[in-house]
Amino acid sequence: SQTIHQWPATLVQPVGSPLSLECTVEGTSNPNLYWYRQAAGRGLQLLFYSVGIGQISSEVPQNLSASRPQDRQFILSSKKLLLSDSGFYLCAWSLGGANNSPLHFGNGTRLTVT
Amino acid sequence: AQKITQTQPGMFVQEKEAVTLDCTYDTSDPSYGLFWYKQPSSGEMIFLIYQGSYDQQNATEGRYSLNFQKARKSANLVISASQLGDSAMYFCAMIFSGGYNKLIFGAGTRLAVHP
Repeated sequence: SQTIHQWPATLVQPVGSPLSLECTVEGTSNPNLYWYRQAAGRGLQLLFYSVGIGQISSEVPQNLSASRPQDRQFILSSKKLLLSDSGFYLCAWSLGGANNSPLHFGNGTRLTVT
Repeated sequence: AQKITQTQPGMFVQEKEAVTLDCTYDTSDPSYGLFWYKQPSSGEMIFLIYQGSYDQQNATEGRYSLNFQKARKSANLVISASQLGDSAMYFCAMIFSGGYNKLIFGAGTRLAVHP
């Protein structure tokens, strides 16, 4: 069966510091991968998605970036965090090439920028 | 543009009763899918149920059913026999054929089940 791992679970970082959140998927090949952000009490906003290694699409302009160095690895990064980057970050995967397949989410990373 | 609307910020229900969570959507794409997710206080997003735009019958998964009214563009979630563990945020989401399986989420409804 497929599993998704996301770490760390919580993170407190000062403004201006770098960020690296990692997500890996097991049990499937060539998945679609996603990074979402959820502000407190709000819905989910899609940040990035990837349909293959090295293929990254950005949904919103921001100081975050994403990379997919391996088929089942998705990394969210920032060179300098802003206060507004605080939030709950969720990684997700879906079956590659399959229409309307559900997204399966990791347990999330709660990021607080101080 | 595609859009999901959940008009109920919060809902209350008595244990063992049924509850309906509303969701309307807007898209001009003929092929799309509708999902419901549950988010407990722990934060994880749990997939509950899926309805395809060409499905003739309403989707059901255990105590969850989706009341799909295509002409009205609504996809309400019905939870039967509510349990205390159903207390959570519930999100309606939509995927469309040109969207690389990107999910667009509504703002969510917080459901509280009372004993």
